[in-house]
Amino acid sequence: AQSVTQPDIHITVSEGASLELRCNYSYGATPYLFWYVQSPGQGLQLLLKYFSGDTLVQGIKGFEAEFKRSQSSFNLRKPSVHWSDAAEYFCAVGAWNNDMRFGAGTRLTVKP
Amino acid sequence: KAGVTQTPRYLIKTRGQQVTLSCSPISGHRSVSWYQQTPGQGLQFLFEYFSETQRNKGNFPGRFSGRQFSNSRSEMNVSTLELGDSALYLCASSLELAGVTGELFFGEGSRLTVL
Repeated sequence: AQSVTQPDIHITVSEGASLELRCNYSYGATPYLFWYVQSPGQGLQLLLKYFSGDTLVQGIKGFEAEFKRSQSSFNLRKPSVHWSDAAEYFCAVGAWNNDMRFGAGTRLTVKP
Repeated sequence: KAGVTQTPRYLIKTRGQQVTLSCSPISGHRSVSWYQQTPGQGLQFLFEYFSETQRNKGNFPGRFSGRQFSNSRSEMNVSTLELGDSALYLCASSLELAGVTGELFFGEGSRLTVL
């Protein structure tokens, strides 16, 4: 089955600074890749997804992610972080006719 | 359009008891997936149901079971509760199998505490 690793448990950035959250996946074929965000007291929301094609995908709230097959990575980026971005971020991998597997999450703290 | 609804939102049980959690998916969605969320472990996949059939299953003991009804509503059951079962249980629905559509819509979860 496919699997996901998020190496960073907790990241702190200053408001206005750039952000990169790391995600590595394991799957033998072409995966479907996703980033979800879980804000305090709220359910998980899809930020962006990659199925095929352009390896740089744009999502909501100004986020983007780049699929790098050679590195088995799908890192999430944002050029300028806002205080409202403080949340927990989950990378997930799916596959055709398979379920979706999530990483352990990265908690983002934003300093004023 | 109503979202995914999970009941109950909070519950407290004691070791050895059993619990049933309910999930109503978004109207028209045929797949329901269940996840266990604990600090540091992220979301652990339990199972996915589609058209009343379990299509995929995670690595959980047989004490964890589920089912799906003809209206796509789903229930999961945990028998002989253990302290380690304390977690947030999340339900997610999708139009088709999660791996086909690639997008899950999550409920707010049922928080289970086992004493």
